[in-house]
Amino acid sequence: DVKVTQSSRYLVKRTGEKVFLECVQDMDHENMFWYRQDPGLGLRLIYFSYDVKMKEKGDIPEGYSVSREKKERFSLILESASTNQTSMYLCASALIHTAGNEKLFFGSGTQLSVL
Amino acid sequence: DQQVKQNSPSLSVQEGRISILNCDYTNSMFDYFLWYKKYPAEGPTFLISISSIKDKNEDGRFTVFLNKSAKHLSLHIVPSQPGDSAVYFCAASLSQIQGAQKLVFGQGTRLTINP
Repeated sequence: DVKVTQSSRYLVKRTGEKVFLECVQDMDHENMFWYRQDPGLGLRLIYFSYDVKMKEKGDIPEGYSVSREKKERFSLILESASTNQTSMYLCASALIHTAGNEKLFFGSGTQLSVL
Repeated sequence: DQQVKQNSPSLSVQEGRISILNCDYTNSMFDYFLWYKKYPAEGPTFLISISSIKDKNEDGRFTVFLNKSAKHLSLHIVPSQPGDSAVYFCAASLSQIQGAQKLVFGQGTRLTINP
């Protein structure tokens, strides 16, 4: 089974802090993603990566950056945390996209609270 | 601009009856649709999917119907069981360059199965 592991289940940070969220997958997947989940808004894509050192903006990249130095690891960085970044953050991975291969595998999520 | 909409935030169904969850989309370029299920404190897990060239896909108690002319899909669960109580997300896929799939998610519907 695919395993996507997020380093923290819960994080509490202060406004202005730099925050690192880590994600590791063990299935040699090419693609990795960061989403955030908010009530009434569903899951929204922040950034994704299709290869080592490659990254693309999703729908809501403002205030975030990412790093993918190794294939199995994808990090989300909040440069200066703000209260509106309080959310559930979900990492996902997937094989390279071909017809019929749309499935993403998600980690358990990190609930981040910014005070 | 919500391209994928789940207009019912919650649904309550009696055990053994049919649960029908609905999803509407606006972008006719979506070529694949998926349903994910999410329990509290866990990441979403893949449930069932359908290609845009089909109108029905069945997997055990779960059936997804696609009506392209109406830009509408639905998930039927029959018979409903208490373990089906969860939040269900509808997602639509857009093919991307560089071989990365992009899933656009709806807001989610919380399904509660009553004994």
